[in-house]
Amino acid sequence: GAGVSQTPSNKVTEKGKYVELRCDPISGHTALYWYRQSLGQGPEFLIYFQGTGAADDSGLPNDRFFAVRPEGSVSTLKIQRTERGDSAVYLCASRRLANTGELFFGEGSRLTVL
Amino acid sequence: KQEVTQIPAALSVPEGENLVLNCSFTDSAIYNLQWFRQDPGKGLTSLLLIQSSQREQTSGRLNASLDKSSGRSTLYIAASQPGDSATYLCAARGTGNQFYFGTGTSLTVIP
Repeated sequence: GAGVSQTPSNKVTEKGKYVELRCDPISGHTALYWYRQSLGQGPEFLIYFQGTGAADDSGLPNDRFFAVRPEGSVSTLKIQRTERGDSAVYLCASRRLANTGELFFGEGSRLTVL
Repeated sequence: KQEVTQIPAALSVPEGENLVLNCSFTDSAIYNLQWFRQDPGKGLTSLLLIQSSQREQTSGRLNASLDKSSGRSTLYIAASQPGDSATYLCAARGTGNQFYFGTGTSLTVIP
């Protein structure tokens, strides 16, 4: 597609529920990132995919968070047993795999856990 | 771990003024540094990408410089306009694949 697409744009859920956030990267971009941004803060790294595999998941805060990219394109971030502290904007970004690749972001998915 | 700092946290200037935003990073071993703009409630829009071998990049009224040895980058905005009001973020990409972000500078251009 023309840009990075994220759905849903807004998600309100109750504490303890399961949530999935979807990211469709720019066509041809092999590298895909998930970031989390809280109000007034810069984006915080969660996970990086190179193709289908998670090359770096060191930013995932705990085992309630998981992400997949089964066909090397669309990625889904999954959050189990959501907590109020998970409320944030979840940003997806993609780039070409070359070291010089510019990072492009989607509009984000705003998650609110009540 | 790479630490990125942006000063000032907020800046307010009258329309037409030239201004400089600062970004500093602790580890000089970077592949590149990228500047972004973020409007309220929106994602990040890429402004300029400077490779580690470059000293500066220009796009319209924007000019970004990079000094790896001192761990600094600046974003210069010429003839500021109210439409430039936004938060500006810099991100340093280390020799891994992570991009490390600062907390941003919130810019207000007063008409």
